[in-house]
Amino acid sequence: GNSVTQMEGPVTLSEEAFLTINCTYTATGYPSLFWYVQYPGEGLQLLLKATKADDKGSNKGFEATYRKETTSFHLEKGSVQVSDSAVYFCALSGWAGSYQLTFGKGTKLSVIP
Amino acid sequence: EAGVAQSPRYKIIEKRQSVAFWCNPISGHATLYWYQQILGQGPKLLIQFQNNGVVDDSQLPKDRFSAERLKGVDSTLKIQPAKLEDSAVYLCASSQGLAQYFGPGTRLTVL
Repeated sequence: GNSVTQMEGPVTLSEEAFLTINCTYTATGYPSLFWYVQYPGEGLQLLLKATKADDKGSNKGFEATYRKETTSFHLEKGSVQVSDSAVYFCALSGWAGSYQLTFGKGTKLSVIP
Repeated sequence: EAGVAQSPRYKIIEKRQSVAFWCNPISGHATLYWYQQILGQGPKLLIQFQNNGVVDDSQLPKDRFSAERLKGVDSTLKIQPAKLEDSAVYLCASSQGLAQYFGPGTRLTVL
């Protein structure tokens, strides 16, 4: 079946540091890949997506590239801010009886001034 | 554009009681999802509707959970009777295409 594995947290960074959150997946066929972000007390928000191999999704300074050869979709940001503190979820949309999202466990990011 | 609405935001009940959650999706979104998110984990799909029909309910514990979307718009998820392990955030999402848009969730605590 489909599965997503993302790096364990929590991750604590200083403001302006470089961020990488690793995500790898297992799926049949050609899934679409997503990063969602969940701020404290809020629902999940779509951060970025990529629908085919070598696509790069980007939003708010975050980027992730769909790497089919390594089945990865790592999230990166060059300079994090305190306001980026949240939980980040990697997810894939693939066929499992219907098209549905399969999520990783989430990585909590804390950015300190 | 209004987002996905959910109510209540918080609910505390005792085990064996019943509870219901309500969701109103984004206008025009044909597909509606209910997810269960246990603390420290990613959301797990419970049920998916396309208009007012069920597409996938394979992970819904049907002995205690039920859901309906009678007019193809808003939806209700019910738990009866609740167990301690049902304590979680229940998320509703809707889509009209690839991306899903989530509501703020209902945090359920079962004592």
